[in-house]
Amino acid sequence: DVKVTQSSRYLVKRTGEKVFLECVQDMDHENMFWYRQDPGLGLRLIYFSYDVKMKEKGDIPEGYSVSREKKERFSLILESASTNQTSMYLCASSLPQGPHGYTFGSGTRLTVV
Amino acid sequence: DQQVKQNSPSLSVQEGRISILNCDYTNSMFDYFLWYKKYPAEGPTFLISISSIKDKNEDGRFTVFLNKSAKHLSLHIVPSQPGDSAVYFCAASFTGTASKLTFGTGTRLQVTL
Repeated sequence: DVKVTQSSRYLVKRTGEKVFLECVQDMDHENMFWYRQDPGLGLRLIYFSYDVKMKEKGDIPEGYSVSREKKERFSLILESASTNQTSMYLCASSLPQGPHGYTFGSGTRLTVV
Repeated sequence: DQQVKQNSPSLSVQEGRISILNCDYTNSMFDYFLWYKKYPAEGPTFLISISSIKDKNEDGRFTVFLNKSAKHLSLHIVPSQPGDSAVYFCAASFTGTASKLTFGTGTRLQVTL
């Protein structure tokens, strides 16, 4: 069963901490994405990557960075966590022109206190 | 600027009736549209899609209609079932941008007995 795996379902971090969210896919997809989901705002794109070592800013990249050293793994980094980064984070992967769009992970609920 | 909008945050429908979820977009360059369904504590899953060369696509109980002149799409679910209760996101993309999706804000559908 093909899937996208996010390493943590729930995380609680303190303000100012450096936070790593990990995502691994086993479908050999070229594209990987990080979104955050907030009530009333839907899914907003943080960063995406079309290939290993490549990254592109999405709509809300401020306060985040990413790393893609291997094709199957895409990490989201919160350099210095803040309370306004409390959110549901969703990782997804896709083929370049996949008709079904994305395959999503189950999400990581991050709370910054 | 929200390029994809779902103006109804929630919708309640009786079991067996039709559910109609609406989505509007502002960018006429979008040419591929998708609907995703999301249960709590799970990632969104692909439901149905439509290319801009079509105005209708059906898959079982689900039909998506596209009105390009109005920049409007809708998802019809007939008949609605309790298991359809979820948050529904519409999404849009430009062909040739490696399937980067722009999502709407979501509509929570509640199917009542």
